[in-house]
Amino acid sequence: AQTVTQSQPEMSVQEAETVTLSCTYDTSESDYYLFWYKQPPSRQMILVIRQEAYKQQNATENRFSVNFQKAAKSFSLKISDSQLGDAAMYFCAYRSPLTPPSSGSRLTFGEGTQLTVNP
Amino acid sequence: DSGVTQTPKHLITATGQRVTLRCSPRSGDLSVYWYQQSLDQGLQFLIQYYNGEERAKGNILERFSAQQFPDLHSELNLSSLELGDSALYFCASSVSWITDTQYFGPGTRLTVL
Repeated sequence: AQTVTQSQPEMSVQEAETVTLSCTYDTSESDYYLFWYKQPPSRQMILVIRQEAYKQQNATENRFSVNFQKAAKSFSLKISDSQLGDAAMYFCAYRSPLTPPSSGSRLTFGEGTQLTVNP
Repeated sequence: DSGVTQTPKHLITATGQRVTLRCSPRSGDLSVYWYQQSLDQGLQFLIQYYNGEERAKGNILERFSAQQFPDLHSELNLSSLELGDSALYFCASSVSWITDTQYFGPGTRLTVL
């Protein structure tokens, strides 16, 4: 079974600075998808960014980018120019491809990293 | 706003009771997923439906059941509730069971007293 590990329960960053959140995963599959979701105090789960394992290029969405190291099974999230609104719990998630089809397309989540942004 | 709706937002009930949580997926999405978020077990996948059929099961208790109706909305039924069932229950949807991105609803906060 796949596992996802976020080794940083808490992180803090100064407003306008850059912070990197770590995520590692364990899988024997060669093709899969990785995601970062953000959960602000409202508890809504918001998709931040996704990465397809077959793509070598790291995904980028505005101030959010990832460093995907497939061989190391590492998937870190970099937030540039941090804003107060970035304060939230961040979850790394893994989704396996549909083999076998009976596995569906469930997401496996890490434990989360609570990010605090200091003004 | 993800386009996924869940009702009710909050639910307070007693042990031994039964509740139903409702989810309406985004327009055009055929697949619905249920997740449970609790303090001790984190975010866990419960069950997935695609176009009315169960597609995959995760760590769902026998006391829990779900279904997806012809109009594609889904309901999660929790019975014989225990204190440990208190959690945030999320519904997510995606276009198909192949599509990789799941969009989450706002969740239902269940408190069992």
